[in-house]
Amino acid sequence: DSGVTQTPKHLITATGQRVTLRCSPRSGDLSVYWYQQSLDQGLQFLIQYYNGEERAKGNILERFSAQQFPDLHSELNLSSLELGDSALYFCASSASGGGSGTEAFFGQGTRLTVV
Amino acid sequence: AQSVSQHNHHVILSEAASLELGCNYSYGGTVNLFWYVQYPGQHLQLLLKYFSGDPLVKGIKGFEAEFIKSKFSFNLRKPSVQWSDTAEYFCAVYGNNRLAFGKGNQVVVIP
Repeated sequence: DSGVTQTPKHLITATGQRVTLRCSPRSGDLSVYWYQQSLDQGLQFLIQYYNGEERAKGNILERFSAQQFPDLHSELNLSSLELGDSALYFCASSASGGGSGTEAFFGQGTRLTVV
Repeated sequence: AQSVSQHNHHVILSEAASLELGCNYSYGGTVNLFWYVQYPGQHLQLLLKYFSGDPLVKGIKGFEAEFIKSKFSFNLRKPSVQWSDTAEYFCAVYGNNRLAFGKGNQVVVIP
């Protein structure tokens, strides 16, 4: 158990809908990262938050947004869902915001299926 | 931006065989390198990491990796694999506030 908790584990929804994925980082970790894993794209970095502030942005679509709350949990919001958004979404956390020596711990992931 | 290349995406080998997975990275800053393993249906787990110091690092489950700066490589090795090593293996480099992953190696160990 990595200490990173993601809910829900599975989500099935229809195209055009909006969903929210939740992540609770390890106790004491200030950074949260979101990744998307799909068969064709592999593991793609979406976004990082550090202590409530957006720190880095990757290949995140405009239909997707995220935030980190004062209690450090994070939510990834996916809207206007398309079939191609079906993937495994991982959250990871780390103690620091970046720099040498940063080690990230991953949650179990949320498997999103868009039908 | 950093990037990672992993070759031989599908590897099939018998128990007790030796395993070596190649990883080449591209990053201009201080190198932090990782190997993660993902067992079927599970999350990513850290196998080993390199931050600095001895370029030969040992991880869990008998895995080791060697950092060769001149070759921009961080290859993973295990002298004798077991059926339970069947998994997907990802090499990653940390930089610019993110981990960049390779495409992964799907390893199947036949009993």
